[in-house]
Amino acid sequence: AQRVTQPEKLLSVFKGAPVELKCNYSYSGSPELFWYVQYSRQRLQLLLRHISRESIKGFTADLNKGETSFHLKKPFAQEEDSAMYYCALRLGGFQKLVFGTGTRLLVSP
Amino acid sequence: GAVVSQHPSWVICKSGTSVKIECRSLDFQATTMFWYRQFPKQSLMLMATSNEGSKATYEQGVEKDKFLINHASLTLSTLTVTSAHPEDSSFYICSASSGTGVYEQYFGPGTRLTVT
Repeated sequence: AQRVTQPEKLLSVFKGAPVELKCNYSYSGSPELFWYVQYSRQRLQLLLRHISRESIKGFTADLNKGETSFHLKKPFAQEEDSAMYYCALRLGGFQKLVFGTGTRLLVSP
Repeated sequence: GAVVSQHPSWVICKSGTSVKIECRSLDFQATTMFWYRQFPKQSLMLMATSNEGSKATYEQGVEKDKFLINHASLTLSTLTVTSAHPEDSSFYICSASSGTGVYEQYFGPGTRLTVT
């Protein structure tokens, strides 16, 4: 079955520290992975997608098919990065997304 | 950018009544819309996928007779919670996809439903 696992419910770091939010997926087809972010009292918004290989707000994520992972990384966390982060998997040929349970990132000054 | 709105943003209703939630794509045509449910501090659970002009596809375990979804136009989808009960109290979020260009789902701000 298709599944997205985010093992950490909460990740707490200090400002300037590196951040890695883990995401593993289970899917036999060709995956399309996304990271969505939800800031306090705001709607869910796309942060980045693996096919773009882009860096948004200093965040990057590399799809590792061997490890079935799509971890989100940022070398120096900022307080404004504090938010809920969701990893999502799009099943090939379908429009719907499968979301992980989310990781709350808390960046302290 | 693509904007999705929801109305109302919050609603309180009595047990046994029905409530309708609207989801609109404001500046693009949404061939596909999605309805999610989010419990406090939990992830989004997809309830159903709807394509304009056709019946919605419900996820396993979602009662289609209780959660009526209509996607009558390319900019509007509605979710009606029928005969609401307190356990239906939740945060309901819609998203929309244009089906063209690079794939992306654009999310609405959500609707908080409280059933008393």
